Amino acid sequence: EAGVAQSPRYKIIEKRQSVAFWCNPISGHATLYWYQQILGQGPKLLIQFQNNGVVDDSQLPKDRFSAERLKGVDSTLKIQPAKLEDSAVYLCASSLGVGTGVKETQYFGPGTRLLVL
Amino acid sequence: DAKTTQPNSMESNEEEPVHLPCNHSTISGTDYIHWYRQLPSQGPEYVIHGLTSNVNNRMASLAIAEDRKSSTLILHRATLRDAAVYYCILRDLPYKTGANNLFFGTGTRLTVIP
Repeated sequence: EAGVAQSPRYKIIEKRQSVAFWCNPISGHATLYWYQQILGQGPKLLIQFQNNGVVDDSQLPKDRFSAERLKGVDSTLKIQPAKLEDSAVYLCASSLGVGTGVKETQYFGPGTRLLVL
Repeated sequence: DAKTTQPNSMESNEEEPVHLPCNHSTISGTDYIHWYRQLPSQGPEYVIHGLTSNVNNRMASLAIAEDRKSSTLILHRATLRDAAVYYCILRDLPYKTGANNLFFGTGTRLTVIP
């Protein structure tokens, strides 16, 4: 079974530029998550989708971050304009759904490492 | 979700058992205890979870205290590949909103010594 795919794996940009990350979840997984992981910290949820609807985006800095999940499969996360403090690893995860046990287990991609100069 | 407390780091010799503790004194009756781990330069991966009873799977065992205020992840025989950051996470049933946020904290960094 193919895992969660993310691209690019690395990105270096200058502050105030824009950047986009792409995620392809495991086939059949209805729920998709984007996390931000700053160096030395645990991942922090930015947004959760259930199919193509947003369930939780309370931690997403909406003035500069946006995300979409068209057709309930792939997703893109965009930052515009980027700030120095956005340097982090951006992780995408997916799960069958939400609930207990196997259904809510989250499977993570390898992440995109962003450096903002 | 209630918070957890874990040691920042632990060391273990290769091929010996490892006991990773987690305190969660404010756990509620419906909180599940989840463990994920993150190997270097990779995304986190699920290890195990439980509610009240001890749990075993191919990766590890989870021992839950009778009062549920603490738990221990047990790796029966540490290998170099087990060197990672281990996160203990409490998850309540997402009845109302469907939200499935995992609050990771900073975890325990396990070093395995050859």
